[in-house]
Amino acid sequence: EIVLTQSPGTLSLSPGERATLSCRASQSVNNNLLAWFQQKPGQAPRLLIYGASSRATGIPDRFSGSGSGTDFTLTINRLEPEDFAVYYCQQYSSSLTWTFGQGTKVEIK
Amino acid sequence: QVQLQESGPGLVKPSQTLSLTCTVSGGSISSGSYYWSWIRQSAGKGLEWIGRVGASGSTKYDPSLESRVTISVDTSKNQFSLKLTSVTAADTAVYYCARVLNWVLDYWGQGTLVTVSS
Repeated sequence: EIVLTQSPGTLSLSPGERATLSCRASQSVNNNLLAWFQQKPGQAPRLLIYGASSRATGIPDRFSGSGSGTDFTLTINRLEPEDFAVYYCQQYSSSLTWTFGQGTKVEIK
Repeated sequence: QVQLQESGPGLVKPSQTLSLTCTVSGGSISSGSYYWSWIRQSAGKGLEWIGRVGASGSTKYDPSLESRVTISVDTSKNQFSLKLTSVTAADTAVYYCARVLNWVLDYWGQGTLVTVSS
């Protein structure tokens, strides 16, 4: 299976700053079939990005995704108070199974 | 807008079968455009994809759970279901149902906690 490793584990930033989150795959994610989700305490994950770089419906343009192959990045420009949460990457390219990263927590500094 | 809601027992005894249902509203489960999926989240293993079902009943499961899992669809009730047999404490998790569009998990239910304990 494709193992996704996210870094850093925790990112401490202030509102207004830029967050850069990394997701590295153990093997190539074909066709860049990688998604990013945001999860807040007590809530389900919410789709932010699919296809590595396409924003889901209703997602603000301060969220952007990039990357290909084995290295992917989620960037959040100008952090808003509601952006402090845990973020997960997920690959859906493997015909065997879909897998998630372990998450990156973006916390208020 | 589509909404999904999980339901089922919150407590299951070890070795028994975990059964959950996901009710879909705001859209038809019969649409050939979608698959329907189950995911779980535990403190120990994080987010784990369990499997998916299409409106026709076609299924795909995670290989590590395949021997114990059945996902089925009931188009007359606009629901799909999860059965997981021979559960242990390791199956304790929050279970989510989700819609799959173009292989993307685009809408999720709020999740339901299932605890495996005697």
